[in-house]
Amino acid sequence: DGGITQSPKYLFRKEGQNVTLSCEQNLNHDAMYWYRQDPGQGLRLIYYSQIVNDFQKGDIAEGYSVSREKKESFPLTVTSAQKNPTAFYLCASSMTGVASPLHFGNGTRLTVT
Amino acid sequence: SQQGEEDPQALSIQEGENATMNCSYKTSINNLQWYRQNSGRGLVHLILIRSNEREKHSGRLRVTLDTSKKSSSLLITASRAADTASYFCATGALVSGNTPLVFGKGTRLSVIA
Repeated sequence: DGGITQSPKYLFRKEGQNVTLSCEQNLNHDAMYWYRQDPGQGLRLIYYSQIVNDFQKGDIAEGYSVSREKKESFPLTVTSAQKNPTAFYLCASSMTGVASPLHFGNGTRLTVT
Repeated sequence: SQQGEEDPQALSIQEGENATMNCSYKTSINNLQWYRQNSGRGLVHLILIRSNEREKHSGRLRVTLDTSKKSSSLLITASRAADTASYFCATGALVSGNTPLVFGKGTRLSVIA
């Protein structure tokens, strides 16, 4: 089955530690995205990548970093510089081109104490 | 930046009734998409409507788009308990290239059996 896999589903970290969230897709999509979702809020874009070895900042990139070394993979690192890292993180992918629907993973809930 | 604004924020109806959710946006768009999110899960694409379309149907879903008023509505007919979820609109900008979708804050729909 084609899809997007995010792991782990739940992640707990101590303040001051970096943590990396995994996102893998086998849909052969060129574009991948990371969104953050807080309670009562919509989705806010962190980073996106339209092609391997290239990525762009979204609206709330501060305190996050990404890499895109393979088409299938787009890991997100939440660094200690991110002031409020506790949130639900969603990864998505799409074909390139205007009006391409996004396919989402089932998210990683990160709790930092 | 959040482009779409859904209304109402929450909606509670009886099974069998119709549910209508509205989305308003600010800038010119190429397309508008509706997504559904079950609690604690990723989003699922429901329907896409292009800026030159006025209405689109998919099963029990009907979407309308009024570009002059910068608004869209999602109608779910004959609702079921399984339709309980949050519904988000997302807009694609009227620019060249693959700019990411911008999501609203969502409408939380509860369908009571």
